[in-house]
Amino acid sequence: SYVLTQPPSVSVAPGQTARITCGGNNIGSKSVHWYQQKPGQAPVLVIFYDSGRPSGIPERFSGSNSGNTATLTISRVEAGDEADYSCQVWDRNSDHREVVFGGGTKLTVL
Amino acid sequence: QITLKESGPTLVKPTQTLTLTCTFSGFSLSSSGVGVGWIRQPPGKALEWLAFIYWNDDKRYSPSLKSRLIITEDTSKNQVVLTMTKMDPGDTATYYCAHYYDSSGYYSDAFDIWGQGTMVTVSS
Repeated sequence: SYVLTQPPSVSVAPGQTARITCGGNNIGSKSVHWYQQKPGQAPVLVIFYDSGRPSGIPERFSGSNSGNTATLTISRVEAGDEADYSCQVWDRNSDHREVVFGGGTKLTVL
Repeated sequence: QITLKESGPTLVKPTQTLTLTCTFSGFSLSSSGVGVGWIRQPPGKALEWLAFIYWNDDKRYSPSLKSRLIITEDTSKNQVVLTMTKMDPGDTATYYCAHYYDSSGYYSDAFDIWGQGTMVTVSS
């Protein structure tokens, strides 16, 4: 089964740049999606297909994916960005289809 | 506007069967490329995918839970039902359903709209 590895926590000061990584074997060959989840709320899609941004998501959110690491980058971090962030891929092999989530990263705004 | 809402019991006893319903609006599960997934999250833990149903009735399950899960649809009612057997305290979690759309049929897209979730506690 495919495994996605995220750091448990990332801390950043307001106005700085936060980078949250998602590691997986040759993840660069897969499409990575990122979700933001605030306490007591459902996840919200913030990045799709590695770097796409849904309508309503600020341009401060961006993504990249290459090799064995995908990265969610949040520029000019604001207090309201404090949340858990999870990456997700589809693991496909022959007729096998499986959704895989990373363990999540808690972003703390200092 | 796409919306989804989960419903079901808040408390089940160990060994019982859980039945959850996802009632949605703003899309049809009979439309090409549309799917619905079920995802759960134990308190303080990560998201865990459970099951997925596609517009063409293709059904996919988490390998670790496959023997306990059944996902079905009632297109006329705009509902997707998830059944999980042999419930255990370790299944205590918030259960979400989410909308999916992938015109290519390639199983690569994101879950773009999520329901609010429903908390299920397993305890005697």
